This record gives sequence, C-alpha cells and structure tokens, in this order.
Amino acid sequence: AQKITQTQPGMFVQEKEAVTLDCTYDTSDPSYGLFWYKQPSSGEMIFLIYQGSYDQQNATEGRYSLNFQKARKSANLVISASQLGDSAMYFCAMREGTNYGQNFVFGPGTRLSVLP
Amino acid sequence: DTGVSQDPRHKITKRGQNVTFRCDPISEHNRLYWYRQTLGQGPEFLTYFQNEAQLEKSRLLSDRFSAERPKGSFSTLEIQRTEQGDSAMYLCASSLSYSREGRNEQFFGPGTRLTVL
Repeated sequence: AQKITQTQPGMFVQEKEAVTLDCTYDTSDPSYGLFWYKQPSSGEMIFLIYQGSYDQQNATEGRYSLNFQKARKSANLVISASQLGDSAMYFCAMREGTNYGQNFVFGPGTRLSVLP
Repeated sequence: DTGVSQDPRHKITKRGQNVTFRCDPISEHNRLYWYRQTLGQGPEFLTYFQNEAQLEKSRLLSDRFSAERPKGSFSTLEIQRTEQGDSAMYLCASSLSYSREGRNEQFFGPGTRLTVL
C-alpha cells in the first residue's frame, strides 16, 4: 500500500488565487511528522512546512498552511495568493517514528502551474 | 554558501563503469541521507547516517551500492558496475538529529544527475 498518496498529478491556478494540493497518508505509528517540499525545475528540494502528529494546531509558514485532518489522515497544503514563482513540483512526505527512527517516505508529487 | 553541496552535478558513464558521488552536508548537521529520484517520481530513500554510523539502508540499495561517511562530515556514494537502470538523480540531504519542535527537516543538495549509456 502507498504510504503517501497525492491524487493530483497536475494542477493549474490563476496568479493571486489560492490553491490546495492534496495529500493522504497511511501509518499505524502514533508518532509521525508530515512535510511538504517544493522542487522547482532547477531540481533542488525546498522545505516548506511541517506538521507533527501531536500538534493541535494547523501549521502555517507565510503563504503556506497545512490543513491537517488526523482522523482522515490527510495533510493538504494550501498556498494563498499564488505567485508565478510557485510553479513547481510539490511533494508531500512523512517521517514515521521518533527522532531515532528515520523512515522517510515521499509521495509521487503534484505539478503546480501558476497562470498569469 | 552554507547549504548542502554535491559533486559532480552531472555524470555520464558507460554501463559497467564505477562512479562515485560526494555530498557535503550543512556543517552542524549530524544526519545525512541519500535518495534516488527518477523522472516524474518522488525521491526514494536509500540510506542514512548519524555521524559516521550508517543506521539504515533501503532494500533499493543493492550490493553494487556503497555509502560511507568516514569522519561524520562529507559522504560518498559509490555505484559499481553501473547499469542503465541506475540512471537517476541522486539527492543528498542533511538534518539535525533533534530539534525542539521535533521536525528535523531535511535540507537537500542540488543533486547529481547520473546517465548510464
């Protein structure tokens, strides 16, 4: 079974609008972390936002927020006020276990295209 | 530049040759990771080190692959007897082993793109 599912291979959004990128995950571990990374065409993975499984509030980092629904095992990324520079691949990832365990799994990614 | 660096950025080799890649992590990071990424896919975990100890290896890491981090700083990934299926981007990342928030996010290098002819 896929640990991380991203059902949207590609998304389009108009500049200045908000967009939601979906991510669902599968784990039986009570302690886990969820991450979103951006990969522009240059290839470098850029960390965007983190949500811990015990965090009570949804994470926010500037224009990025994470809509964490633990019971549904979903961790959707919301980008507000999209910019042309947001066009990239976006990967959802999960780390299971404690700091000592480093099983880190990425999803297949969503390609976001921001239209002018 | 204090980020993760990788060398070379591109490598073209013939099938059957050996190749070695180097990764220099962020200096204060004690964890170092190697991933492989093929076109249109997310990165796949290969192995990780805490200091000089290799703590975990993926089943993807066949016996043709070996990674070292001899002094707990830079790391090398060697692929012996390369095959065309080894063509991919090889990404290195580093992190702390502990942060107060528990996130220990990984910082990635630019990758080494390997093409096996």
